[in-house]
Amino acid sequence: AQSVTQPDIHITVSEGASLELRCNYSYGATPYLFWYVQSPGQGLQLLLKYFSGDTLVQGIKGFEAEFKRSQSSFNLRKPSVHWSDAAEYFCAVGVGGYPKVTFGTGTKLQVIP
Amino acid sequence: KAGVTQTPRYLIKTRGQQVTLSCSPISGHRSVSWYQQTPGQGLQFLFEYFSETQRNKGNFPGRFSGRQFSNSRSEMNVSTLELGDSALYLCASSPAGDRSPANYGYTFGSGTRLTVV
Repeated sequence: AQSVTQPDIHITVSEGASLELRCNYSYGATPYLFWYVQSPGQGLQLLLKYFSGDTLVQGIKGFEAEFKRSQSSFNLRKPSVHWSDAAEYFCAVGVGGYPKVTFGTGTKLQVIP
Repeated sequence: KAGVTQTPRYLIKTRGQQVTLSCSPISGHRSVSWYQQTPGQGLQFLFEYFSETQRNKGNFPGRFSGRQFSNSRSEMNVSTLELGDSALYLCASSPAGDRSPANYGYTFGSGTRLTVV
């Protein structure tokens, strides 16, 4: 079965600094990859997704992610973080034929002034 | 286009009671999945309904059940509530047809926060 690892439980960055959140997946073929964001007490909002094609994917709110097959990674990046980006971020993987999307354990982002 | 609507937003129940949560998916979406989110276990898949049929089920006890109506609205029910059932229950809508939601991703509702006391 597929699995997703987000090695960083908590990350703190200064407002205006760049951000990279790590995500590694375990699956032999190319999966469908997603990044979601969750604000406290809310549901998950889709930031971006990768199905095929260009390995650099642009999403909402200025986020992008790069699929690297050789590293089984799908890291999320943002060049300049805003205080409103403070939230929890989930990487997720879907595999065709499997019944569900599998989520990582999440990375909580704190933004300091 | 309206999003995914979950009701109620908050619930407080006593151990042993039962509870029903409701979800209205995005118009045109026929696949509805349910997830349980807790600090300790993260997001765990409960089940998926498609065209009024449970298509897939996660590893939860039989106390957790659901159904889907002809208008794609879905309900989930938890009977004989336990303290450990306290969680955020998320409904996820997908345009999945014959293929799995894994091929498309989800749009989530805001969730129902269930507290069992």
